[in-house]
Amino acid sequence: AQSVTQLGSHVSVSEGALVLLRCNYSSSVPPYLFWYVQYPNQGLQLLLKYTTGATLVKGINGFEAEFKKSETSFHLTKPSAHMSDAAEYFCAVSDSGGYQKVTFGIGTKLQVIP
Amino acid sequence: EAQVTQNPRYLITVTGKKLTVTCSQNMNHEYMSWYRQDPGLGLRQIYYSMNVEVTDKGDVPEGYKVSRKEKRNFPLILESPSPNQTSLYFCASSFRRSTGELFFGEGSRLTVL
Repeated sequence: AQSVTQLGSHVSVSEGALVLLRCNYSSSVPPYLFWYVQYPNQGLQLLLKYTTGATLVKGINGFEAEFKKSETSFHLTKPSAHMSDAAEYFCAVSDSGGYQKVTFGIGTKLQVIP
Repeated sequence: EAQVTQNPRYLITVTGKKLTVTCSQNMNHEYMSWYRQDPGLGLRQIYYSMNVEVTDKGDVPEGYKVSRKEKRNFPLILESPSPNQTSLYFCASSFRRSTGELFFGEGSRLTVL
């Protein structure tokens, strides 16, 4: 069974400050890991993904995440928050065996304070 | 343009009145899935389909039906909606043999009175 835990359903940062959204996963097989972003009144869109290879993954809009197997973590970071980053962010895990079961976390709403 | 299209985007209905939310994708994806999003619960999978005529239950299938008669379409059917099915629904699709990256529709907000 696979699962995802996102720590903090709401996170507030000042504009220009570091963004850190936490995600821990549980998986019985090597996982594929994802971060999705949902802007208000829109569907989810892929921000970045880890499948195999390099553990530091870069995504769109300056976000990146690091896969740490020893800590079963996949935290999302951005050095400097912009107002446009205000959205809800979902961490997700997928079975790397080819089966399409994708399990999502409960989401973290990011507020950016001017 | 590659997209997943859901209709309707907004719907208010009454308990017991059958409704269908349509989902169509133009990317030739084998895999399609329905999720519901509720505050504090994230996205939960309702049903999924690995290909035409192949469907299976997700985590919260009670009260829902689906069909997959064509590759591009995957409608979600609520035979007798109840207030606890008030939610935001998302359809998603992908290639079956992919890494699990999903393409989402814009969502359908359903209110059952």
